[in-house]
Amino acid sequence: GAGVSQTPSNKVTEKGKYVELRCDPISGHTALYWYRQSLGQGPEFLIYFQGTGAADDSGLPNDRFFAVRPEGSVSTLKIQRTERGDSAVYLCASSLGQGGYNEQFFGPGTRLTVL
Amino acid sequence: GEDVEQSLFLSVREGDSSVINCTYTDSSSTYLYWYKQEPGAGLQLLTYIFSNMDMKQDQRLTVLLNKKDKHLSLRIADTQTGDSAIYFCAVESGGSYIPTFGRGTSLIVHP
Repeated sequence: GAGVSQTPSNKVTEKGKYVELRCDPISGHTALYWYRQSLGQGPEFLIYFQGTGAADDSGLPNDRFFAVRPEGSVSTLKIQRTERGDSAVYLCASSLGQGGYNEQFFGPGTRLTVL
Repeated sequence: GEDVEQSLFLSVREGDSSVINCTYTDSSSTYLYWYKQEPGAGLQLLTYIFSNMDMKQDQRLTVLLNKKDKHLSLRIADTQTGDSAIYFCAVESGGSYIPTFGRGTSLIVHP
C-alpha cells in the first residue's frame, strides 16, 4: 500500500556518536538503494541491495558507514563515529528489481545533523 | 565515471514554457530520467527516456535527447505555480543500474 518510509525524519546527534537510519521499502520490491543528498547537491549513491545482499557498496565513503538488510525488506544504514561532514539528507529508494527500465521510488529522507 | 551537469536556476512566468537542460559525459548511457523534488518531499519520477529514442511526450512534458551532443532537455508546457520545485536529471550508464544525478535546477514560477 504505502510508499517508501524512512525513520526518523530528523536526527540530531553529536560528533562521535553512532546513528541508525531505517528504511521500509515498498512491499515486494527486491532492490533497495541508499543515497546521500547534501545541501544544493543531487543525490549521491551509497549502496544498493538486491534481496538481502549488498550488490554494490562502492558509494560508501569510508568504513564508518555500513548498511544491512537481513530479511530482504527493511534496511538500516549505520554510521559510526559521526562527523560534522556527515550532515545531509539520507534518501532511501526501492524498485521491483534490476534489468531494463527500473523505476526507483524514493522515501522522504532522514535529515541528519551532526553538531 | 559519469558526470551530469545542469544549470542551477530557471525563472519563468506562469503560462509560459519552461526548458530545463542537462548534459552528461558517458556515451554508453541507457536510461535517462527527470525527477521532481518539492520542499520536504522525496524525489518523484516525472518521466524517462531510453537512449534509442530522441523524443518522448507525456501530457505537458516533452523530453528531447541529443545523443551526439550528450544533451537532454525537459520542456514543461503551460508552466503553473505548482510546477515550482527542483528538477533533477539522472543518467544510468551501460552496465550499471545506479543513476548519476545532476545538482538539480530550481524552477521558480511567478504569476
